[in-house]
Amino acid sequence: GIQVEQSPPDLILQEGANSTLRCNFSDSVNNLQWFHQNPWGQLINLFYIPSGTKQNGRLSATTVATERYSLLYISSSQTTDSGVYFCAVVSRNSGNTPLVFGKGTRLSVIA
Amino acid sequence: DADVTQTPRNRITKTGKRIMLECSQTKGHDRMYWYRQDPGLGLRLIYYSFDVKDINKGEISDGYSVSRQAQAKFSLSLESAIPNQTALYFCATSDSGQGAAGNTIYFGEGSWLTVV
Repeated sequence: GIQVEQSPPDLILQEGANSTLRCNFSDSVNNLQWFHQNPWGQLINLFYIPSGTKQNGRLSATTVATERYSLLYISSSQTTDSGVYFCAVVSRNSGNTPLVFGKGTRLSVIA
Repeated sequence: DADVTQTPRNRITKTGKRIMLECSQTKGHDRMYWYRQDPGLGLRLIYYSFDVKDINKGEISDGYSVSRQAQAKFSLSLESAIPNQTALYFCATSDSGQGAAGNTIYFGEGSWLTVV
């Protein structure tokens, strides 16, 4: 099945700094989503972005489908951005199957 | 009220006991999923259902069973719980259409299960 690799696995930032999280995947995709899991375990959908670029406030995401990667940008980070960020995909060649998740990037934003 | 509700939110059970985690949704979605999260491993799919009469095994279905009692309800059972099933369990739903509306997945708040 499709492989999803996220980097870095851990990231510590000073409040106000910017960061880029990366998601590489091993096959063409027709579905890619980014999620944030807060320190209480809640999973929130950030972006549905199988291709192109989207922005939502301080967060933006870009997927370059032809090169099989996606990037999540966090600007002017805040302590509330802390948590784990997951990338999840569906392979275009796997038919109608559920999302496959990467192992996540754990972000800690320090005041 | 949450759109995807899981019960119980926390449970400690003994090895060998049967336990059921329940999930209900008010989003009117066709598709429902059970994922398991272990530290450092991300989320792994246990079972999924694309409609009431459809049940499919995921990556780690051994030791688990499911029941789709209605469009809005999808329960996960551990027939004989063992300690390595200690994890955070998530129910999720999605629609069956195209694009963002049809593919965005929504998660419940999770159920912490500890098997001792």
